[in-house]
Amino acid sequence: TQLLEQSPQFLSIQEGENLTVYCNSSSVFSSLQWYRQEPGEGPVLLVTVVTGGEVKKLKRLTFQFGDARKDSSLHITAAQTGDTGLYLCAGGSNDYKLSFGAGTTVTVRA
Amino acid sequence: GAGVSQSPSNKVTEKGKDVELRCDPISGHTALYWYRQSLGQGLEFLIYFQGNSAPDKSGLPSDRFSAERTGGSVSTLTIQRTQQEDSAVYLCASSPSGLRFYNEQFFGPGTRLTVL
Repeated sequence: TQLLEQSPQFLSIQEGENLTVYCNSSSVFSSLQWYRQEPGEGPVLLVTVVTGGEVKKLKRLTFQFGDARKDSSLHITAAQTGDTGLYLCAGGSNDYKLSFGAGTTVTVRA
Repeated sequence: GAGVSQSPSNKVTEKGKDVELRCDPISGHTALYWYRQSLGQGLEFLIYFQGNSAPDKSGLPSDRFSAERTGGSVSTLTIQRTQQEDSAVYLCASSPSGLRFYNEQFFGPGTRLTVL
């Protein structure tokens, strides 16, 4: 089993502040996905990165895949209350399975 | 179009009873996954169906767990003789094709199972 560790486990910030969530592994992944999950709902895909060193921007969210494809980060600029949720990273290998991290619970206070 | 639906949304049962959880994937999606999500933990892979191929059952935690997918569409996850440690949210996901490592999975809202 390929393990993905996410940090921090919990993050509480004020609206307008920036935050970064990390996803690390000792294993190499072919792809890395980030999902956001809100209470009572299933995870929703935010982004997929497949190339080492790749950086993708989605409005105020910036995703980076490490050069060695073992780690990733999610940076949110000027967080809003709507960014509150559980952020999950998931690593894909050369098959159909995804290995999920335990998640980071982000709370953005108004 | 309709997303992935799951039923029931909540299930409370007594220890030792059997339960059935249902998943309706997005129409046309050939791949279907079941996961278990416990508090404070990530998603634990349970089983994977792809078209008419034999399912990958490698994630099922014990022989009390089984799943089937009828007609390549609806899937049922059955837990026999439930135990308190089975309490969790059970999530179903479908994908247009499970054959690529970067395939997007579309999740249902989950079934919250509580075993008393």
